[in-house]
Amino acid sequence: GQNIDQPTEMTATEGAIVQINCTYQTSGFNGLFWYQQHAGEAPTFLSYNVLDGLEEKGRFSSFLSRSKGYSYLLLKELQMKDSASYLCAVADSNYQLIWGAGTKLIIKP
Amino acid sequence: DAEITQSPRHKITETGRQVTLACHQTWNHNNMFWYRQDLGHGLRLIHYSYGVQDTNKGEVSDGYSVSRSNTEDLPLTLESAASSQTSVYFCASSETNQNTGELFFGEGSRLTVL
Repeated sequence: GQNIDQPTEMTATEGAIVQINCTYQTSGFNGLFWYQQHAGEAPTFLSYNVLDGLEEKGRFSSFLSRSKGYSYLLLKELQMKDSASYLCAVADSNYQLIWGAGTKLIIKP
Repeated sequence: DAEITQSPRHKITETGRQVTLACHQTWNHNNMFWYRQDLGHGLRLIHYSYGVQDTNKGEVSDGYSVSRSNTEDLPLTLESAASSQTSVYFCASSETNQNTGELFFGEGSRLTVL
């Protein structure tokens, strides 16, 4: 079967750096997405990786290793507003999105 | 500004009733999707459409139906609501085919089936 694994919950301190991991086992691979979802709100797009390596976008970076079936989202200079759930999703060989259950990130002052 | 809106935002209904959740987008996107989100699960695809008159079943389509009569709207109907369908429902749209582009989500519709 197809599977996306992420930690259920993580805690970090304001101003610090946190890395949220995502491992996947899918039938084929056509890209990996990260979305942010604040409580009670809609998911919003953060990043899309289809090639190996690191993509940086402001305080957020996303890394992909296709050979390892692994990605991480790196958040720097954490702010209280970064408290949210972070969803990892992979497009499989049929371009269907497989979603992880999300990682709830709690930021403490 | 273009947007995607869902209605109602909150609904309580009884088992066995028919319920329709509306989704309207002004992005002029061909691709529209319905997901449900439950604690402990990732987003699960219910139905999707790649254009007018096109509809397809997702992984959890039983008990749900959709129709696509125009580009802007993809209403989701629960034919006979069941307690297992209590969930938060998200509509989404995208510009690109084949899920290689950003999904734009509506605000969600929280449905409770008693």
